[in-house]
Amino acid sequence: EAGVTQFPSHSVIEKGQTVTLRCDPISGHDNLYWYRRVMGKEIKFLLHFVKESKQDESGMPNNRFLAERTGGTYSTLKVQPAELEDSGVYFCASNRPGQESGYTFGSGTRLTVV
Amino acid sequence: GDSVTQMEGPVTLSEEACLTINCTYTATGYPSLFWYVQYPGEGLQLLLKATKADDKGSNKGFEATYRKETTSFHLEKGSVQVSDSAVYFCALSRQGAQKLVFGQGTRLTINP
Repeated sequence: EAGVTQFPSHSVIEKGQTVTLRCDPISGHDNLYWYRRVMGKEIKFLLHFVKESKQDESGMPNNRFLAERTGGTYSTLKVQPAELEDSGVYFCASNRPGQESGYTFGSGTRLTVV
Repeated sequence: GDSVTQMEGPVTLSEEACLTINCTYTATGYPSLFWYVQYPGEGLQLLLKATKADDKGSNKGFEATYRKETTSFHLEKGSVQVSDSAVYFCALSRQGAQKLVFGQGTRLTINP
């Protein structure tokens, strides 16, 4: 089966601009997660979708971040306007319901805000 | 809240050396514990896991034992290879929860 696909793999934008990251989960995986790793620190949970619904968005840092999963397939994470502290690697993961440890992660999008 | 602490990196070893990467956690109840690995240019992969006290997870020559009394899950390998060079992340999830809590990662470099 195809893995979790994220793009772009890298993005460099200026402070104040908008960036949209995309994640295509494995087909049939209802659960989709976003995580990010900032400045070599720990990977932090952002949010969890079950199909198209937000199950848990407790990790979203502020209202400049907007995640969507229309139709319960791919997901987008938009940052608007981007700030310097948003730089980091954004990971997406997916799994089936009940697969507590069966995450499949994407390769991540490295976002640099200058 | 829940947290995971890993030993500071980077760690550089010679091939065939012994490896230990320390990991301790803080959590209520009985979390599941994991080690994930990220090879260069790839996504995170589950390396091994343990779901209850005294369980030992193992894979690819790596082992880690769930120690409730010391709240630890140290990663060990007896003889490392160049191909083990990667970033290693310790993580936990609460029972019944989907999200993972990660440590800060340890970059491991193995020299031939």
